[in-house]
Formats: sequence, structure tokens, C-alpha cells
Amino acid sequence: AQSVSQHNHHVILSEAASLELGCNYSYGGTVNLFWYVQYPGQHLQLLLKYFSGDPLVKGIKGFEAEFIKSKFSFNLRKPSVQWSDTAEYFCAVNEPSSSNTGKLIFGQGTTLQVKP
Amino acid sequence: KAGVTQTPRYLIKTRGQQVTLSCSPISGHRSVSWYQQTPGQGLQFLFEYFSETQRNKGNFPGRFSGRQFSNSRSEMNVSTLELGDSALYLCASSPTQGNYGYTFGSGTRLTVV
Repeated sequence: AQSVSQHNHHVILSEAASLELGCNYSYGGTVNLFWYVQYPGQHLQLLLKYFSGDPLVKGIKGFEAEFIKSKFSFNLRKPSVQWSDTAEYFCAVNEPSSSNTGKLIFGQGTTLQVKP
Repeated sequence: KAGVTQTPRYLIKTRGQQVTLSCSPISGHRSVSWYQQTPGQGLQFLFEYFSETQRNKGNFPGRFSGRQFSNSRSEMNVSTLELGDSALYLCASSPTQGNYGYTFGSGTRLTVV
């Protein structure tokens, strides 16, 4: 079965530090990839998504992610974090060409704490 | 335009009772999915509806059910509630199945006592 692994469960950074959150998935076929963010007390919001084309995807709030098919990875990056980036980050995958097309598989999430 | 609306926001129920949660998708969105979020299990897929038909179901017992109406609004029902059903239940909508990303609602926080 498809699975998504986020390597870092809890990350603590100082403001202006660079961020990279790891995400690996297990499915070998065509995938759609997503990063969602959940700010404290708020709902899940889509940061960015990859369906096809340029493997370097730019999202909102200065985030970007790179799809590396050979490594089954979709890591999230931001050059300089801000205190307001404190949140939980979820990587998610779905399989657009299968009967599971409407099903998102989420990683366990990474809690990012940015110290001012 | 309005986002995904879930009602109620909070709910407290007793073991053995049943509960119905409601989700109104973004106008024009025809696909609605439901997820359960708990600290231990994270976000888990419950089911997806498209054009009033259940297209996909996660690994949850039959006590969890749902439906979608002709206006794309969806409800999920949990019967014979157990303490372990306490969770945040999230609804997500998409214009169509699968390929467009999903917009999530704020969720319904269900507490079973």
C-alpha cells in the first residue's frame, strides 16, 4: 500500500534560518504530490502541489519543493523562515491514474517551531 | 468565494450514540472527501464522494458511513460511538476527482465521553 514518510517530526529553527523538510513516498507509478500547512488553530491550507512538468514547484509564502522521481522524494524548502511559519506541515500523495485517485495519503506531519 | 463549511464545529457525544456531521463544499466543487485527524494516527482517509456516489473508502469500520446529495453537500455518520472516535473530522472538496488538489474545511471536533 502507498505510504508517505516525513523524516523530521519536530524541527526547531531560529528566524532567518533555512528550512528543508523531507518527504518520501512509496508508490512507483504516477503521483500527484502536495504540501499542506496547518497553523495553530487553523485549517489545513495548500502550500504547493506538483502534478507534472517542472519538478521545482513554487508555492505560497516563499515555499518551494523539488520532486525527485528517482528518490521518490518531494522535499519542502524555504530559504529564510519567519516566526509566522510556526505550524505543522504535511506531505500528501495521491495516485491520479488509479481507482484511488480521490484518496490523499498523508505523512505523519512535521511540527516546525521558529524562535524569534 | 466561500470556502468549505463544516458544521457543527464542536460536538460532545456519549459512547453508544450516533452522530452526523455536515460538509458544504466550495460552490462548483463536485468531489467531497472526509478525513479523520488524531494525534496518534495523523490524517486518515475515510471516504470520497463524487456525483452522489462513494468512489473510495478507507480502512474504517462499517460504523462510519456517508452520503452526498445532488447539490454536492455531504454528510458523514458514525454510529455506536466509541471513545476512540474522538477526533477532528475534516472535509475537503475539489472541482472533480483527484487531480486538482483539495481545499479543506476547519473541521468538526468530536469528543466522545
